[in-house]
Amino acid sequence: NAGVTQTPKFRVLKTGQSMTLLCAQDMNHEYMYWYRQDPGMGLRLIHYSVGEGTTAKGEVPDGYNVSRLKKQNFLLGLESAAPSQTSVYFCASSANRGTEAFFGQGTRLTVV
Amino acid sequence: RKEVEQDPGPFNVPEGATVAFNCTYSNSASQSFFWYRQDCRKEPKLLMSVYSSGNEDGRFTAQLNRASQYISLLIRDSKLSDSATYLCVVNMIVDTGRRALTFGSGTRLQVQP
Repeated sequence: NAGVTQTPKFRVLKTGQSMTLLCAQDMNHEYMYWYRQDPGMGLRLIHYSVGEGTTAKGEVPDGYNVSRLKKQNFLLGLESAAPSQTSVYFCASSANRGTEAFFGQGTRLTVV
Repeated sequence: RKEVEQDPGPFNVPEGATVAFNCTYSNSASQSFFWYRQDCRKEPKLLMSVYSSGNEDGRFTAQLNRASQYISLLIRDSKLSDSATYLCVVNMIVDTGRRALTFGSGTRLQVQP
């Protein structure tokens, strides 16, 4: 049972480099989310999507872009990485807005 | 003020103890409430949903007080395996007409032998 899969699991970037984090879910969920987790801060919502072709900003969207071209995939892009973006990134999906969210295993990103 | 607030802990309790966690949320229009569990360096996983009438799942009891905008989680007969961070999660409006899951910072529990 794959559930929610994130790639890559680890990455080290230099300041100014770009990268894309991929999230894939096989549960036919409408809602998908990207969160970042920093020590003592809990999970903070970056962007989310309520369906294929839609995206919306969350609590901390600056410096990130997202796309949901296919229902099963939700991509998070960093155009010009900064050390402040060093974090653990979690993708999640849910059937609708009021139901349980399932999480990927996380991506540990370090920007040096 | 954070939209979902929790005591960060840590709560250090002996095996067999009863421990309670509390959580407050800021948006009275919030509709869905959950407790998630997160083990060290792992992803969060649903522990239980929280219903208005209160609900129980084995040793775990969750309660919701909408008037006070307060959620609680009670763990009875604590086990070593209960050691984890417990996240309070509220489905609330994040922009006009749309909702998303908003997480508290988590409460860390350490059960000791």
